[in-house]
Amino acid sequence: GAVVSQHPSWVICKSGTSVKIECRSLDFQATTMFWYRQFPKQSLMLMATSNEGSKATYEQGVEKDKFLINHASLTLSTLTVTSAHPEDSSFYICSAPDRDGYGYTFGSGTRLTVV
Amino acid sequence: DQQVKQNSPSLSVQEGRISILNCDYTNSMFDYFLWYKKYPAEGPTFLISISSIKDKNEDGRFTVFLNKSAKHLSLHIVPSQPGDSAVYFCAASGMNRDDKIIFGKGTRLHILP
Repeated sequence: GAVVSQHPSWVICKSGTSVKIECRSLDFQATTMFWYRQFPKQSLMLMATSNEGSKATYEQGVEKDKFLINHASLTLSTLTVTSAHPEDSSFYICSAPDRDGYGYTFGSGTRLTVV
Repeated sequence: DQQVKQNSPSLSVQEGRISILNCDYTNSMFDYFLWYKKYPAEGPTFLISISSIKDKNEDGRFTVFLNKSAKHLSLHIVPSQPGDSAVYFCAASGMNRDDKIIFGKGTRLHILP
């Protein structure tokens, strides 16, 4: 079945540095990738939708200059958290619609801790 | 290897009837299970959860049942309403607060008038 590989699984970084999270669709082409931020035991917050070859669409309240999204190919979408601060510490997860249009495949998530 | 499986990609149910969405998991270390609901163009929102120490949790029209021995859980919606048409994700996590949540692929529920 469709697989989205997300790396890294966890990362610890210092305040002020940038962190890049990658999501690769391994056996299908993901023209669309959703990026979510998750809070413990709570809902996923959709941050942005990336589309291959075009600019990402950001949700209201999400700083596009802080959360840079690139979808340069049909198999790779990246989220870069720039100038990270402790409040950016969270669990980030990506998701792509399956080929059949019914389901979604989620990445395994990235736990970011900013110290 | 999918640790959380929703084997029905879609389900159609008559309005007023009961909707039953099923989910199977493989990892016996999971001890907290969640259901999310997703409308088009929105992110999934938390619906209901259940801890492994329980076998049933009810919240209004929504009830989640957990069968640990079978590694199976289900979400019952009764009575089904048009606004229930959405994609439903089953998810599972481990014992620790910071454990990742593993999602199923989702089941698209259509409520028929």
